[in-house]
Amino acid sequence: DARVTQTPRHKVTEMGQEVTMRCQPILGHNTVFWYRQTMMQGLELLAYFRNRAPLDDSGMSKDRFSAEMPDATLATLKIQPSEPRDSAVYFCASGLANSGKAQYFGPGTRLTVL
Amino acid sequence: AQSVTQPDIHITVSEGASLELRCNYSYGATPYLFWYVQSPGQGLQLLLKYFSGDTLVQGIKGFEAEFKRSQSSFNLRKPSVHWSDAAEYFCAVGPTNFGNEKLTFGTGTRLTIIP
Repeated sequence: DARVTQTPRHKVTEMGQEVTMRCQPILGHNTVFWYRQTMMQGLELLAYFRNRAPLDDSGMSKDRFSAEMPDATLATLKIQPSEPRDSAVYFCASGLANSGKAQYFGPGTRLTVL
Repeated sequence: AQSVTQPDIHITVSEGASLELRCNYSYGATPYLFWYVQSPGQGLQLLLKYFSGDTLVQGIKGFEAEFKRSQSSFNLRKPSVHWSDAAEYFCAVGPTNFGNEKLTFGTGTRLTIIP
């Protein structure tokens, strides 16, 4: 049963610390998406990649957020420095480009910044 | 630009009753359409999708959705809900142009099931 995995599932940190979230997309998928979900804003797209290349990162503040795909099996989302307003659930999703647009979501990382 | 509207923020249904969740979209052509479900503390799970063909689409967990072009709607239905269906449901639309994989999600409908 192929699934997207995310680590850590929960993270509590203090303001100013660096946070790194990791995602392993479904094997063979070549698109990866990072979303943030909060009660106030709902689900927001932060960035997305196709074939490891960033196509759109307009949804995230690039002075503190960065997203990368070091290889096809790993996507990372970093926040440095973290702020309390970054507290949210961060989801990674993967898909297969030009094959129906379906995205498959991971379980999320719940981030709390104190 | 594409958009999705889920007019119902919260719906309460008795267990065993039928369910219909509404979704309306705005797009220049027939887009890709999806329904996702999110249980508490979980990620979004794909229930079903539509792009072309039969306008009545069957999904997992006994759900179905009907595409109505004239109404720009893609409503989700289930004939008899179970307590385990309590969750948040999201409708999403995807563009048809090649190379654009971004989905636009609705704001969600929270479903409560009462005994």
